Amino acid sequence: AQSVAQPEDQVNVAEGNPLTVKCTYSVSGNPYLFWYVQYPNRGLQFLLKYITGDNLVKGSYGFEAEFNKSQTSFHLKKPSALVSDSALYFCAVRDDWVSNYQLIWGAGTKLIIKP
Amino acid sequence: GAVVSQHPSRVICKSGTSVKIECRSLDFQATTMFWYRQFPKQSLMLMATSNEGSKATYEQGVEKDKFLINHASLTLSTLTVTSAHPEDSSFYICSARTISRDRKQETQYFGPGTRLLVL
Repeated sequence: AQSVAQPEDQVNVAEGNPLTVKCTYSVSGNPYLFWYVQYPNRGLQFLLKYITGDNLVKGSYGFEAEFNKSQTSFHLKKPSALVSDSALYFCAVRDDWVSNYQLIWGAGTKLIIKP
Repeated sequence: GAVVSQHPSRVICKSGTSVKIECRSLDFQATTMFWYRQFPKQSLMLMATSNEGSKATYEQGVEKDKFLINHASLTLSTLTVTSAHPEDSSFYICSARTISRDRKQETQYFGPGTRLLVL
């Protein structure tokens, strides 16, 4: 069965420190992986995606994510956190482009960056 | 746990007809619901933000008269695609947001999506 796990409800990081938001997945076929961010009182915004190619994907606002097939993970990272990065982050996976457009979503991780 | 449902999960319609998609929060009251659209091999695009009892706020480039959103209650929002055309074929996802009474905890749940195919 398809699933996405974000094991941490909340991550606290000091400003300037590197941050990691974890995501693991389970799919039957090839995964297509996404990260989205939601700022307070706003809808989701796309950050980055992995479809194929390099395992390290760079996205918006200085974020990047590394696809690790053996560990079935797609952790979101940023070398130096900003207070403005504080938001809710969602990981999502899709298993099959052709016949199933459905995204499977993680529960979300609240990222708090403290000055 | 909280669940958001969408109905129908898949719909095929003829060009020129209207299609209504329902989004329901099954065991919680949603202060806000969001509607997204996703094209194949692309990311989600936010279409509009809907607060119960008020008009939806549409994102730039989204036609208000074409994508009618109604949020009549705290558990139901509907998206009506009017006079649908083949280019409206897409995957539509809703999400529902709830905020705790002390306003310190915000949680968002996503629906499974509705696949619309316009012939």
